[in-house]
Amino acid sequence: DTEVTQTPKHLVMGMTNKKSLKCEQHMGHRAMYWYKQKAKKPPELMFVYSYEKLSINESVPSRFSPECPNSSLLNLHLHALQPEDSALYLCASSQARVGNYGYTFGSGTRLTVV
Amino acid sequence: QKEVEQNSGPLSVPEGAIASLNCTYSDRGSQSFFWYRQYSGKSPELIMSIYSNGDKEDGRFTAQLNKASQYVSLLIRDSQPSDSATYLCAVLNNNDMRFGAGTRLTVKP
Repeated sequence: DTEVTQTPKHLVMGMTNKKSLKCEQHMGHRAMYWYKQKAKKPPELMFVYSYEKLSINESVPSRFSPECPNSSLLNLHLHALQPEDSALYLCASSQARVGNYGYTFGSGTRLTVV
Repeated sequence: QKEVEQNSGPLSVPEGAIASLNCTYSDRGSQSFFWYRQYSGKSPELIMSIYSNGDKEDGRFTAQLNKASQYVSLLIRDSQPSDSATYLCAVLNNNDMRFGAGTRLTVKP
């Protein structure tokens, strides 16, 4: 069992829908991340939160909106997505953003935009 | 030039053999290096980390780092069919993790 929990595991949404992806960790980690992974490609960094503050936004389109309500929770709000946004969305956490810490990934949300 | 480069494979080895996976990185300032295993349709799982030049062993896995050559490798001894997966090399640079495209390993019984 992963210590980073993502819900839902699968999501199919239309281009006009609004949905949210959720991520939760109880390891006391202070950095949390959203990655996007297309088939047979490496994970690509989208957002970084460090101590609940948005630290990095890698030029992600505004139809993706992250939120970090507290140190254990991370959401990704989705609106007006395109079919090319279909991918595996991975949440990860680490003890801190600064330092030699590996990441723990959640099991991911497989998103299909129709 | 990609930040982290790996041979995409597929790499096929017989059961019981040693599998050798290689990775190069472009930024000499990179601080820490990781190997993740990703089964098809699943999320990456951290299996090894290495920070200093030399070898680091953990069970059947050995990570090797050569910062002068900007090279990191993973050896899997006594390979098992359950080791069949994509192995992602990751480099921590400026406090953010960047991944290689991964090497697909198949261990044949």
